[in-house]
Amino acid sequence: QSVLTQPPSASETPGQRVTISCSGSSSNIGSNTVNWYQQLPGTAPKLLIYNINKRPSGVPDRFSGSKSGTSASLAISGLQSEDEADYYCAAWDDSLNGYVFGTGTKVTVL
Amino acid sequence: QVQLVESGGGVVQPGRSLRLSCAASGFTFSSYAMHWVRQAPGKGLEWVAVISYDGSNQYYADSVKVRFTISRDNSESTLYLQMNSLRAEDTAVYYCARGYCSMTSCYPAEYFLHWGQGTLVTVSS
Repeated sequence: QSVLTQPPSASETPGQRVTISCSGSSSNIGSNTVNWYQQLPGTAPKLLIYNINKRPSGVPDRFSGSKSGTSASLAISGLQSEDEADYYCAAWDDSLNGYVFGTGTKVTVL
Repeated sequence: QVQLVESGGGVVQPGRSLRLSCAASGFTFSSYAMHWVRQAPGKGLEWVAVISYDGSNQYYADSVKVRFTISRDNSESTLYLQMNSLRAEDTAVYYCARGYCSMTSCYPAEYFLHWGQGTLVTVSS
């Protein structure tokens, strides 16, 4: 089972802001960088945010990340219908010597 | 451009073996760590294993340790996953992913910018 905990779902109307939380521990989020991935139905995951708050080329600035202690958050502002997807946080875990993913959050645009 | 193409998936009986391959192109394969990540039907992402740029270090998820072996052939730009003693719970789409890092000291900053399209492994009698 995953060591990073996310809410199973989040929803908001178009144009609004939605925030997804990711709770970890001192061995992962607390000591290492956090990344976020977006997965559209039937497709491979896509890197959305790396190193807590950096966006790869091509990712809109509507997506932003933050970290505080052993928790991290992904915010999506100006929500659009194409943002409907599953979102996963991830980090390296020093105790497990492995990369861990969050439980995933399904975002629905109402 | 970076391309990762997995192959080798299929239907296999419990207890049997299967080897997955991931053919890489568009970058210097021997400079990057490579990972396997899987996703069971309707479930979340699960990291499986990582191998360093030169193949000298490997780490595994507890769920596959001892049963799975990650390896690479830098001369062929190909990543492998040997899966033995397969169980029903190993049924998943298996993705290969290129890391940002090359060696273990960098792993705390690791992330995956490039992913393959995935190959489905079904373990069933």
